[in-house]
Amino acid sequence: EVQLVESGGGLSQPGRSLRLSCATSGFPFDDYAMHWVRQGPGKGLEWVSGISWNSARKVYADSVKGRFTITRDNAKSSLYLQMDSLRPEDTALYYCVKDIGSGVVDMASGFDYWGHGTLITVSS
Amino acid sequence: DIVMTQTPLSLSVTPGQPASISCKSSQSLLHSDGKTYLYWYLQKPGQSPHLLIYEVSSRFSGVPDRFTGSGSGTDFTLKISRVEAEDVGVYYCMQGTHLPAYTFGQGTKLEIK
Repeated sequence: EVQLVESGGGLSQPGRSLRLSCATSGFPFDDYAMHWVRQGPGKGLEWVSGISWNSARKVYADSVKGRFTITRDNAKSSLYLQMDSLRPEDTALYYCVKDIGSGVVDMASGFDYWGHGTLITVSS
Repeated sequence: DIVMTQTPLSLSVTPGQPASISCKSSQSLLHSDGKTYLYWYLQKPGQSPHLLIYEVSSRFSGVPDRFTGSGSGTDFTLKISRVEAEDVGVYYCMQGTHLPAYTFGQGTKLEIK
């Protein structure tokens, strides 16, 4: 059974940092690209960032580029998101998401499995 | 980025009746490899999204056959042949053709009458 379990959420002030983690199991982690997708309160889904299987390629939404950094540790089957210079508009539920296709992050694909999410609230 | 537009944004359906959701993209989703990377997800109340349909019309593992995806180019449709109470939630389409920015539709909320 594929499992994706996020952690690291919480309350942060604007301008501060948080680091999200996603522990995975049930599939060969190092075969797949991975992503973060967020959902603001009462809002729709927004793709945030993706990383290829070997970390060679990392991509970001314009809204977080230069502030967020995605990383992975294949030995630990874990995905991370370092979130710096947080803004109130970053307030959202952040989902760890598995790519459905190849390990290459910007090769046409989609998502199959989603974690339950971890909530980030940015407020002074 | 590609804009995905869903209609309607909400619908109320009597159990046993059909339902249909449209998703239109601002550019063709046909990839140079011949595939079309259009996906449908359902987010049930209080849950994370789960995959229903991938590449326009392929049902994901465990998805009931009352769910059918169709379409091509820029116009896509998700149909539920006979709505059941467990189908309530918000349905999202998503494109994975024009990367790196995956984009979602606004969501369509399905309620039961």
